[in-house]
Amino acid sequence: GAGVSQSPSNKVTEKGKDVELRCDPISGHTALYWYRQSLGQGLEFLIYFQGNSAPDKSGLPSDRFSAERTGGSVSTLTIQRTQQEDSAVYLCASSLRPPPRTDTQYFGPGTRLTVL
Amino acid sequence: GENVEQHPSTLSVQEGDSAVIKCTYSDSASNYFPWYKQELGKGPQLIIDIRSNVGEKKDQRIAVTLNKTAKHFSLHITETQPEDSAVYFCAAGRDGTVWREGGKLIFGQGTELSVKP
Repeated sequence: GAGVSQSPSNKVTEKGKDVELRCDPISGHTALYWYRQSLGQGLEFLIYFQGNSAPDKSGLPSDRFSAERTGGSVSTLTIQRTQQEDSAVYLCASSLRPPPRTDTQYFGPGTRLTVL
Repeated sequence: GENVEQHPSTLSVQEGDSAVIKCTYSDSASNYFPWYKQELGKGPQLIIDIRSNVGEKKDQRIAVTLNKTAKHFSLHITETQPEDSAVYFCAAGRDGTVWREGGKLIFGQGTELSVKP
């Protein structure tokens, strides 16, 4: 079956512009996660969705970052007024069984964001 | 806050040798420990995971060991092959008590493994 897909694969933008990153989870997966991976670094948790609700937004670095999920499926991560420090690979993951039990997370290929 | 330390950051071995990567975690409530392999330009792929009710798990050439008392876990790759070359990440997570908790993984910084033919 299809895995997690993300679009675009690459995004180059100018400082101050808004960007939207999209994630299509594996069909039937109820939980969806966004992580950020800066160059040469590990993955940093951003936000988690259960259905369309986001019970854990603790990792969002500032109020310029927001995310939504519609229909219990597709999710969009929006970064407003982008800054150079936002440059990173943004990874989406989904899992079949929702929390509270921690389940296997399957990752997409990521969106590489470059802010000039 | 929650933290996972991973060592070494780079590891170079000869084909056929074994490779060991070690991680320590800070949250004593962590009970789920996955390992991911990330190849260049791709997303992380789960290679093995372990829960805290077992001390060791094996899958062919890959094994993971867990020491809950010391709060550390390790990945062992035997008979390494050039295709094992990649960045490996450890992570730690814990179950929540209600649906709005749990699920989040805390990742180590990664180990770049190079297997020389």
